[in-house]
Amino acid sequence: LAKTTQPISMDSYEGQEVNITCSHNNIATNDYITWYQQFPSQGPRFIIQGYKTKVTNEVASLFIPADRKSSTLSLPRVSLSDTAVYYCLSRTSGTYKYIFGTGTRLKVLA
Amino acid sequence: GAGVSQSPSNKVTEKGKDVELRCDPISGHTALYWYRQSLGQGLEFLIYFQGNSAPDKSGLPSDRFSAERTGGSVSTLTIQRTQQEDSAVYLCASSLGTISGANVLTFGAGSRLTVL
Repeated sequence: LAKTTQPISMDSYEGQEVNITCSHNNIATNDYITWYQQFPSQGPRFIIQGYKTKVTNEVASLFIPADRKSSTLSLPRVSLSDTAVYYCLSRTSGTYKYIFGTGTRLKVLA
Repeated sequence: GAGVSQSPSNKVTEKGKDVELRCDPISGHTALYWYRQSLGQGLEFLIYFQGNSAPDKSGLPSDRFSAERTGGSVSTLTIQRTQQEDSAVYLCASSLGTISGANVLTFGAGSRLTVL
């Protein structure tokens, strides 16, 4: 069964870059790595997805090493509104069973 | 529809009663997922559907929980003889269900269940 591991919590200050790393040792060969953000009382929201190397969109970057056993979500210049729980997601190979890890609770301080 | 719709948004029930939670996925999404989130906790996988079929029901907490999906669209999660520990937010998500592994799950706002 695919399993992800990430830090439970992180604190940062406004304007700093935040990097959250997730390990996914059993990721399937054809599977993408996907990160979600969740605010209180809301469902998770898609942030970014990638397969290998680096992916960047308007909100984040995702770095994936060649062995794909981990990934790092990078949030540039965080603001107070980035305070949320961030999840990396993995899938059991051959199925659509997506398991969420514990998530990383990011707190951005003024 | 434009997004994943869940109803009711809030449900308060008495212990021992049955409840039904409904999920209307994005049109064209073949995969549908149910998760449960207790207060302050992460998301617990319950079940997923590919079309109308549920290949993996191992996440359902007990035989009081069941789910069905009809017409490859709407899904209903039923909890019989509710217990206080069933109190949680039940989240539904859907995705295109592509084989490539590049699925993106789109979540609804959830149904908050409170069992008194």
